[in-house]
Amino acid sequence: DIQLTQSPSFLSASVGDRVTITCRASQGINSYLAWYQQKPGKAPKLLVYAASTLQSGVPSTFSGSGSGTEFTLTISSLQPEDFAAYYCQQLYSYPLTFGGGTKVEIK
Amino acid sequence: QLQLQESGPGLVKPSETLSLTCTVSGGSIRSSSYYWGWIRQPPGKGLEWIATIYHSGSTYYNPSLKSRVTISVDTSKNQFSLKLNSVTAADTAVYYCARLISGSYYDYWGQGTLVTVSS
Repeated sequence: DIQLTQSPSFLSASVGDRVTITCRASQGINSYLAWYQQKPGKAPKLLVYAASTLQSGVPSTFSGSGSGTEFTLTISSLQPEDFAAYYCQQLYSYPLTFGGGTKVEIK
Repeated sequence: QLQLQESGPGLVKPSETLSLTCTVSGGSIRSSSYYWGWIRQPPGKGLEWIATIYHSGSTYYNPSLKSRVTISVDTSKNQFSLKLNSVTAADTAVYYCARLISGSYYDYWGQGTLVTVSS
């Protein structure tokens, strides 16, 4: 199974901050990686797929990069509505796996 | 607009079988481009992939659950279903159904349904 390790697991930041979340895969997954945002009591929402393609309707303050085993999700200027949990997911091979999550909270 | 809606009991007794159905509206479950799946999230924890199915019946299971899980599809009703047997308290979670673009992402999700395993 491919393990995904997200870091940090918790992040405290202020509105306007630049935030970077890292997702490392235990083996190469090319660019078969997606990022999701989840707010309390809600289903996850797709932000980025194929490691760097922004889903339609997602603000351009979000960006994804990486390939192989190391990936990042960057929020260039944190907005109040961005405080949430973020998960990466690999879709390279079954079983599909998610990272452990990163909770972004207001400083 | 595609919508997915989970349905099923919110409370299941230990050792019994958890059964959930996902009803797809606004699109056909028979579309050749999509797969359909179940993901769960224990309270306060992260996401866990459970299983995926194609309308033809091809299935993929999480090895950690494979001995207890069955996913099936009913194209006539535009639904797919999950059965998890011999449940324990560790199976208490919010269960989501979702549409999968193979190799790419889950783009549409149900709202999720909390299933509690308790006597």
